[in-house]
Amino acid sequence: QTVVTQEPSFSVSPGGTVTLTCGLNSGSVSIGHYPNWYQQTPGQAPRTLIYNTNIRSSGVPDRFSGSILGNRAALTITGAQADDESDYYCVLYMRSGIRVFGGGTKLTVL
Amino acid sequence: QVQLVESGGGVVQPGTSLRLSCAASGFTFTTYGMHWVRQAPGKGLEWVAFIRDDGSNTYYADSVKGRFTISRDTSRNTLYLQMNSLRAEDTAVYYCAKCGGSCYSIPFDYWGQGTLVTVSS
Repeated sequence: QTVVTQEPSFSVSPGGTVTLTCGLNSGSVSIGHYPNWYQQTPGQAPRTLIYNTNIRSSGVPDRFSGSILGNRAALTITGAQADDESDYYCVLYMRSGIRVFGGGTKLTVL
Repeated sequence: QVQLVESGGGVVQPGTSLRLSCAASGFTFTTYGMHWVRQAPGKGLEWVAFIRDDGSNTYYADSVKGRFTISRDTSRNTLYLQMNSLRAEDTAVYYCAKCGGSCYSIPFDYWGQGTLVTVSS
């Protein structure tokens, strides 16, 4: 059973920097998993932030960046703003069209 | 602009069937793979199913394999999800999502607003 792991919650001060991570219970995350990151606020559909590990989707501010850190994918927010308070999800490509989402991280900005 | 509009959700009893639709517009439907993703109330996102641009291959999460069928009608620019043998744990908002230029690197480019399915006796 493949499990994609994310921190359940995180908090950051306004203007601060936070790194959310996305791991695998069965090994390391690599660029071959094509990590993508999404932002979701309550009652809304998800919004694509980062695709293919580190490429920002159109219109996404450059304070959001993606990378591989060690054996995990990472989403870094530099200079956090109040409206960054959301749920963040990663998704990994596993094999043969199969995708697995992480459980999501609830980010609080305070 | 790209629009994805889901419909067909509702309240159904366990063991019954339901078909969801996703009307697509603003792009060449036959060029892109499509997904269904769901979200149970208060829970995270769960990938459900994927169909290639030409409909040649379909893929499913283990939780729905054998019960759900994804399909597409190019004449209607519509994506479907046939859900059979529904269970309480299938209760969720169901989103359709379009791939980007490459389904590997951009699996979910645009999302619909979702349709709620409630399975309850």
